[in-house]
Amino acid sequence: DVKVTQSSRYLVKRTGEKVFLECVQDMDHENMFWYRQDPGLGLRLIYFSYDVKMKEKGDIPEGYSVSREKKERFSLILESASTNQTSMYLCASSFFRGRVQNTGELFFGEGSRLTVL
Amino acid sequence: AQRVTQPEKLLSVFKGAPVELKCNYSYSGSPELFWYVQYSRQRLQLLLRHISRESIKGFTADLNKGETSFHLKKPFAQEEDSAMYYCALSYPPGGFKTIFGAGTRLFVKA
Repeated sequence: DVKVTQSSRYLVKRTGEKVFLECVQDMDHENMFWYRQDPGLGLRLIYFSYDVKMKEKGDIPEGYSVSREKKERFSLILESASTNQTSMYLCASSFFRGRVQNTGELFFGEGSRLTVL
Repeated sequence: AQRVTQPEKLLSVFKGAPVELKCNYSYSGSPELFWYVQYSRQRLQLLLRHISRESIKGFTADLNKGETSFHLKKPFAQEEDSAMYYCALSYPPGGFKTIFGAGTRLFVKA
């Protein structure tokens, strides 16, 4: 079974703090994604990566950065957390489109609920 | 711009009734469309994809390119179908960016 693991299920931080959200997948997926999930807005793509050290901005990258030093790990960084970043953060992974195993399916972690006070 | 629209935030039906969750998309090329589902306290997971034309848990979805729609249907809703449903568009062909609609919460009442 594909496993996408997010290191923290619940975090409470103060405004201005630096926040790290970690995601690890064990299926040798090339692609990894960070979304935030908000009621009424659905999932919005923050950043994605298709290879080690490669990253692309999604639709709402402002206030976030990412790091992909190893294939299996993709980190989301909030340099200076703000209250409007209170949300559920979802990590996902998938195979590169050129691979035979690829079906386009995204595999999700359980989510990290971040509260910024 | 690419967009996925789910016009209903909440849909409530009785058990055994038909259900249709609407999804419209905006994309100029050939779309790859998916439905994902999130049951209570579970992670988001794939329900079905248009390219495989399969039926999962009694749900089907047909791509209508003329109406740019990909509605999810089930003839007889069950209580265990209560969940959050997201329509998703993956583009460009051969690419991998996936965007989601706002989601529809389905309640199936006994």
